[in-house]
Amino acid sequence: DQQVKQNSPSLSVQEGRISILNCDYTNSMFDYFLWYKKYPAEGPTFLISISSIKDKNEDGRFTVFLNKSAKHLSLHIVPSQPGDSAVYFCAASVRSSNTGKLIFGQGTTLQVKP
Amino acid sequence: NAGVMQNPRHLVRRRGQEARLRCSPMKGHSHVYWYRQLPEEGLKFMVYLQKENIIDESGMPKERFSAEFPKEGPSILRIQQVVRGDSAAYFCASSPTEGTQYFGPGTRLLVL
Repeated sequence: DQQVKQNSPSLSVQEGRISILNCDYTNSMFDYFLWYKKYPAEGPTFLISISSIKDKNEDGRFTVFLNKSAKHLSLHIVPSQPGDSAVYFCAASVRSSNTGKLIFGQGTTLQVKP
Repeated sequence: NAGVMQNPRHLVRRRGQEARLRCSPMKGHSHVYWYRQLPEEGLKFMVYLQKENIIDESGMPKERFSAEFPKEGPSILRIQQVVRGDSAAYFCASSPTEGTQYFGPGTRLLVL
């Protein structure tokens, strides 16, 4: 049962344009969501997070939007840069539970073309 | 402030051998998590530990796998009698509380 889904395996955008990465979830108990970026042969790097009490969080070029009714979140990167090319994972957790385990999506490979 | 450290970065074992993966959390972090990434898949939770305690091991295979986080020293993920299906990248993460998790570079295990 895939509780967190990233339905687009890959995305290609031009440098300077907006990148939009999408993520859907099924478990309504999730109350904390994160985005990680991962380069080959490295560990995931934390990018940005959002609590379920908010619908938007912004940090520099990165903005995460949460639509609880649709069980959907998205990551916007504006403007996109070639260095943003990586695999992006969304993750979710139930912070109110006794475990902080993260449930990850399958990842979306972003390619930003110069 | 050093990040999460994992060693070795690469580990090759023959079927039936034991694999020991080490993780030193970030300074000040008392929560450690282990995840496994199989080829072409996302990360899958294995176990969550605090010092000397296993909090959640719901993602650990029932046999051959164990984890510990002693009072002193790194957290250890131990895989006994490895099989080819254990070949994967194993990532450790740490957090100061049950908040944002910061990941190490991973250990890539190859079972021949």
